[in-house]
Amino acid sequence: AQRVTQPEKLLSVFKGAPVELKCNYSYSGSPELFWYVQYSRQRLQLLLRHISRESIKGFTADLNKGETSFHLKKPFAQEEDSAMYYCALGVSASKLTFGTGTRLQVTL
Amino acid sequence: GAGVSQTPSNKVTEKGKYVELRCDPISGHTALYWYRQSLGQGPEFLIYFQGTGAADDSGLPNDRFFAVRPEGSVSTLKIQRTERGDSAVYLCASSSTGGNYNEQFFGPGTRLTVL
Repeated sequence: AQRVTQPEKLLSVFKGAPVELKCNYSYSGSPELFWYVQYSRQRLQLLLRHISRESIKGFTADLNKGETSFHLKKPFAQEEDSAMYYCALGVSASKLTFGTGTRLQVTL
Repeated sequence: GAGVSQTPSNKVTEKGKYVELRCDPISGHTALYWYRQSLGQGPEFLIYFQGTGAADDSGLPNDRFFAVRPEGSVSTLKIQRTERGDSAVYLCASSSTGGNYNEQFFGPGTRLTVL
């Protein structure tokens, strides 16, 4: 069965510091990985997906099949990055398996 | 345009009662998903519709849960004989077609509280 692990419930960093939100997955098939974000009082929305290999709002994530990881990174954290971040694994029939989420708190 | 909408935003019911939760997807989206999010957890898949049919209902926890999408647009999640453990935020999402590469757009959720 597929599984997504986000080991940190809370990550607190200073503004301008680098950010790395960890995500590890377990899946026997070919993985499709996503990062979703939920800002305060807003709905869950897609941040980025590994297939696009893009950078959104300064965030990047590289799929490492050897380590079964899809960590989210940003070189310089901004206050507006404070939010709840969920890593998700796409499996057959289009359903997503989500991790438990990491709350990123960026402080001055 | 309008995003995914869900009604009601909050629902409080008593143990043993029946509830219906409604989802209006983005117009033209053929794929619709229901997820359940318990406190401190990520969303958990319940069911996926492609058009009018349930293509994958493997996430429904038991036969008290049922969902329909009769005309391929609006969907209703129905919970019979509610239990306290059913308390959660129920999320609906839609995408233009099924498939993992298509972005799922989420609604604001319905917070269900079973007393």
